[in-house]
Amino acid sequence: QTVVTQEPSFSVSPGGTVTLTCGFSSGSVSTNNYPSWYQQTPGQAPRTLIYNTNTRSSGVPDRFSGSVLGKKAALTITGAQANDESDYYCVLYLGSGIWVFGGGTKLTVL
Amino acid sequence: QVQLVESGGGVVQPGGSLRLSCAASGFTFSNCGLFWVRQAPGKGLEWVAFLQYDGSSEFYADSVKGRFTISRDTSKNTLYLQMNSLRGDDSAVYYCAKQQQAGSHHFDYWGQGTLLTVSS
Repeated sequence: QTVVTQEPSFSVSPGGTVTLTCGFSSGSVSTNNYPSWYQQTPGQAPRTLIYNTNTRSSGVPDRFSGSVLGKKAALTITGAQANDESDYYCVLYLGSGIWVFGGGTKLTVL
Repeated sequence: QVQLVESGGGVVQPGGSLRLSCAASGFTFSNCGLFWVRQAPGKGLEWVAFLQYDGSSEFYADSVKGRFTISRDTSKNTLYLQMNSLRGDDSAVYYCAKQQQAGSHHFDYWGQGTLLTVSS
C-alpha cells in the first residue's frame, strides 16, 4: 500500500516563509504524480490551492507556490498571514485512476 | 457558479447500506470526472472513488472496493455513492468533488460534505 507522507505539524512566524513537503514513504515524487495541494480550516470543506505541481487555482494569492524539490512535492507559503493557519493536504496521482492523500500538515502561524 | 451539494448522510448500523447523493450545477456534468473523498472525525482526507467523465470507468480505494459503488444520473446531474456492508471505520464526512476537466488530475471544486455515522 502506497503511503504519502507530510510533516504532521509546522510553525511559522507572521511574515515568514515556510515550505511543506509531500513524499512517498518509498520512492520519489515526480511531476507525473501531478501533485496538488488543499487547504482546510476546521469544519470547512477543502479549498484547492495548487495543482499540476505548480499551478495556482483561481483566486489563490501568489504567496502560495508549488514545486518538486528533490524527491518530494513542496508547498511554499511566503509572507505567512494569520489566516494561513490551517491544515494542508497534498494529493498524488498514482496512475490507473488512483489518488492518495498525504496525512496532512497542521500549520500554526505565531 | 459551480455547486456541489451532498445529501443522504445519517446514522446506519454496522453491516447496513446507504446511498449518498451529490447534486451538481454550474458546469457540464458529462465533461469531467467526479470523486468522492471522505474524512473521518479528527482525521485526514481519504480519496474514496472516481468516476470517469464519460461514466465508462470507476476506480476505488482498496478500503472500499467491493463494498461501495460510484455512479451518476446525467439526466439529474447527480452523483451517487452506494455504500454496502458498512463498518465503523466508514464513519466520516463524505465530500463530492469534480475534475477541472476530463484528464485533469486534481479535485477542482468541492461540496460541503454529508456526515455518515456507522454505529449500533
